[in-house]
Order: sequence, then structure tokens, then C-alpha cells
Amino acid sequence: GAGVSQSPSNKVTEKGKDVELRCDPISGHTALYWYRQSLGQGLEFLIYFQGNSAPDKSGLPSDRFSAERTGGSVSTLTIQRTQQEDSAVYLCASEDSNGYTFGSGTRLTVV
Amino acid sequence: AQKVTQAQTEISVVEKEDVTLDCVYETRDTTYYLFWYKQPPSGELVFLIRRNSFDEQNEISGRYSWNFQKSTSSFNFTITASQVVDSAVYFCALSARYNTDKLIFGTGTRLQVFP
Repeated sequence: GAGVSQSPSNKVTEKGKDVELRCDPISGHTALYWYRQSLGQGLEFLIYFQGNSAPDKSGLPSDRFSAERTGGSVSTLTIQRTQQEDSAVYLCASEDSNGYTFGSGTRLTVV
Repeated sequence: AQKVTQAQTEISVVEKEDVTLDCVYETRDTTYYLFWYKQPPSGELVFLIRRNSFDEQNEISGRYSWNFQKSTSSFNFTITASQVVDSAVYFCALSARYNTDKLIFGTGTRLQVFP
């Protein structure tokens, strides 16, 4: 597609359950980022993938968070044993020489 | 450490007024990049501008203009003759390296333009 696609757009889950968030970047973009936007906050960096290099995981808030990127394309962000503080909008962005393109995000609500 | 501060949480103006959104940054890097993004109610982040640390020239794009001053570590954004469609949250961001590094975002300024 023309843009970065994220699914689902909304997700409500019970505390303690695992969730998977998906990001389809723009074809050919080698860099992919995950950010988190909590209510009233700016965007917080989570993880960064660049080609075949080891990902930069420095922003992941706890070991309950993990992400992978298969075949240099689609990425999945997994949150295990979700907590209420995980409620936020999770944004994915892919990047080429022209800069970032962000997806519309997944709004995660943990109840 | 890198940090971006947007001290204005929310600004309300009436259509056709000019409005300036402030952005102050901190970095020890000599080479860095500054960005502004718009986030309308739909939620998607829209890129507005990218500026590198070696280019202090002000930039104008239609009703938008940006004032970059290294001496005060500021990168302010002005909307001239604001319109209702300008209502959004605006984020300033900093990156140490263009194209290959994470963005450090400010907390955003919510702009409401009333008719």
C-alpha cells in the first residue's frame, strides 16, 4: 500500500492477557520504528529495526515487551501479561531517505 | 541527554490570528535534526518540516514559518492567519542523526482554532 498500515486500529484486552500489534511498513523502507503515545504525553520511542542489523531495543519499558520484524518487512509488537499502564496508542513508522511515515496507530485499552 | 520541551500545553485562538508554538531542545550533539509534526484528530502524524543543525535559515511554507535559533536552542513554529483546519496537536522532535535514529518528541501543544 501507499502508507504504513497498522492493525488492529483498536484493541481492548483484559489485564494479564497477551496482545500482538502488527505493522506493515511501506515497501522498500528498511527502517522501522515503534513508538508509544500515552494520554497527554508525547511519543515515547520503543524499538528500532534497520535492515538486518540487531534492533535497538533501548526504549522497551520492560521485558514484557518484545518485537520482531520478519523478512525485513512486517513487524509485530507483543506485550505479555498486559497491565493497565500499557494502555496507549502504539504508533509504527517506517523510514527511507525522505524521512518518516507514521501509521495511524493501534489504540490499546487494558481493562 | 537529549530533551525537547514544549511548554505550551494548549493554545486557543480565533480564526485569522497568528500563533507561535514554542520548542526548546537540549542536546550535546553538534550535528542534529529538528522536526515538527502535526497530529490531527484522526491520529496520524503528518510531517511538516525537517531542519539540520547547520542550517539556521528561517523557512516559510505558505502560512507556516519556522524560526531556528541555535543560540537559544529553540525551533519555534508560527502559523499565520490560522484556520479551523489547523486545529491539532503539534509535536516538535529531535534526532541525533537524520534517517537512522530515533526521534525524541516533546509532549506536544494542542492548538484549537475557533471560527
